[in-house]
Amino acid sequence: EVQLVQSGAEIKKPGESLKISCKGSGYSFMHYWIGWVRQMPGKGLEWMGSVYPADSDTRYSPAFEGQVTISADKYIDTAYLQWSGLKASDTAIYYCARLWYSGGWQPWNYWGQGTLVIVST
Amino acid sequence: EVVLTQSPGTLSLSPGVRATLSCRASQSVSRSSLAWYQQKPGQAPRLLIYGASNRATGIPDRFSGSGSGTDFTLTISGLEPEDFAVYYCQQYGTSPFTFGPGTKVDIK
Repeated sequence: EVQLVQSGAEIKKPGESLKISCKGSGYSFMHYWIGWVRQMPGKGLEWMGSVYPADSDTRYSPAFEGQVTISADKYIDTAYLQWSGLKASDTAIYYCARLWYSGGWQPWNYWGQGTLVIVST
Repeated sequence: EVVLTQSPGTLSLSPGVRATLSCRASQSVSRSSLAWYQQKPGQAPRLLIYGASNRATGIPDRFSGSGSGTDFTLTISGLEPEDFAVYYCQQYGTSPFTFGPGTKVDIK
C-alpha cells in the first residue's frame, strides 16, 4: 500500500528555521517525484515545487523560488520542505503528494495527511 | 502559467439533485491533463477525476468529468450527504502546476 506520512504540527516564531518531512512507503520512493502544496487558512491549494529523489532534481514554482528549499534523502525514503526564516504568512497546512512522469505528467493520486505550521509571536 | 477559474464559488443544493461545477483555463490544457479533487475539512485532497473524464480508483460513478481545451465540467449526478465539500480543478500537464480557487458545495 502506497503511503506518504508527514511529520507533526509545528509552532514557531518569526525568523526561526524549520524543516518538515514526508516519508514514503509501499513503492520505489526514489523513482517518483514528491511535490509540496501549501494551503493557507481558509484558502486554496498552491503547488510549491517538487523533487526527484533519485538524483535530487528540484523544480520550484516561481512564486516560491528562493522562499523555501525542497530536498530528499533517497536512502531513508524521505522528502523535506524547509525554511530558513519563517514569517507569519508561512502559517498554513503543507501537503506532500506523489508525482509521476511517464510520457507526460500523471495525476496526483497519493497525498500525505498534511503538516500544520503556525508561525506566531 | 495556466490560470484556472472555477464557477460558481459556492453551490447550495439539496441532497439528491445534480451538481454542475465549471473550470475554465487561461490557455489550452496540455493532453487534457485536468484533474478534479474533493477536499473535506481537516482532510487532504482526494483525486476524483483525471485526464478530464477518467474516474480515479474507487470513485462512485455519480461523479463524471467532461471537457477539453479550456473548458471543463465536473458533474455529480445525485448529491449524497458525503459529497458536500470543496472541489478543486487542477492542471498537471505543464509546470508550474496550478489549481483553481475551488467551488464549495454546501447543503441548502
